[in-house]
Amino acid sequence: SQTIHQWPATLVQPVGSPLSLECTVEGTSNPNLYWYRQAAGRGLQLLFYSVGIGQISSEVPQNLSASRPQDRQFILSSKKLLLSDSGFYLCAYTQTSGTLPDTQYFGPGTRLTVL
Amino acid sequence: GDSVTQMEGPVTLSEEAFLTINCTYTATGYPSLFWYVQYPGEGLQLLLKATKADDKGSNKGFEATYRKETTSFHLEKGSVQVSDSAVYFCALTTDSWGKLQFGAGTQVVVTP
Repeated sequence: SQTIHQWPATLVQPVGSPLSLECTVEGTSNPNLYWYRQAAGRGLQLLFYSVGIGQISSEVPQNLSASRPQDRQFILSSKKLLLSDSGFYLCAYTQTSGTLPDTQYFGPGTRLTVL
Repeated sequence: GDSVTQMEGPVTLSEEAFLTINCTYTATGYPSLFWYVQYPGEGLQLLLKATKADDKGSNKGFEATYRKETTSFHLEKGSVQVSDSAVYFCALTTDSWGKLQFGAGTQVVVTP
């Protein structure tokens, strides 16, 4: 079976500090991977998605970046955090099955507080 | 562009009451439709989905029917429990990359 992990679970960082959030998927190959942010009391905003190693598409301009160094590893980074980066970060994956969009499965999330 | 509109919450109801959460969508093409649930402090879990018109998704007593003529995918449950308290998200995808467009979410609070 497939599973998705995220760490850390919670993080408190000062403004201006760097960030690295990690997401890994087990039990499937060549998944599509996604990073979402959920600000307090709001819906989900897609930040990045990746269809393969080294392939990253950005949905919104921001001071965050993403990388996919391995097939089942997706990393969200920042060089200098802003207060507005606070939120709940969710990683998700889909199994690639032909050309049809498939169900997204979400990780447990990382709660980031920037002070 | 594609969009999803959900009824605003919070929705507060008593245990064993009937729950309906309205969801309508705008999309080019033929979307797949989803309901996700988020329990406090957790990630999202797929609740149910439908991939074509008139399909009914169901899970854990929840149901939703894909209505192309009204572009709707309303979520229903006949008798809610306290454990159903959560935020519910309606979503769609028409993208071959599987990117989801989410509604704003509806918080449901069930009291004993």
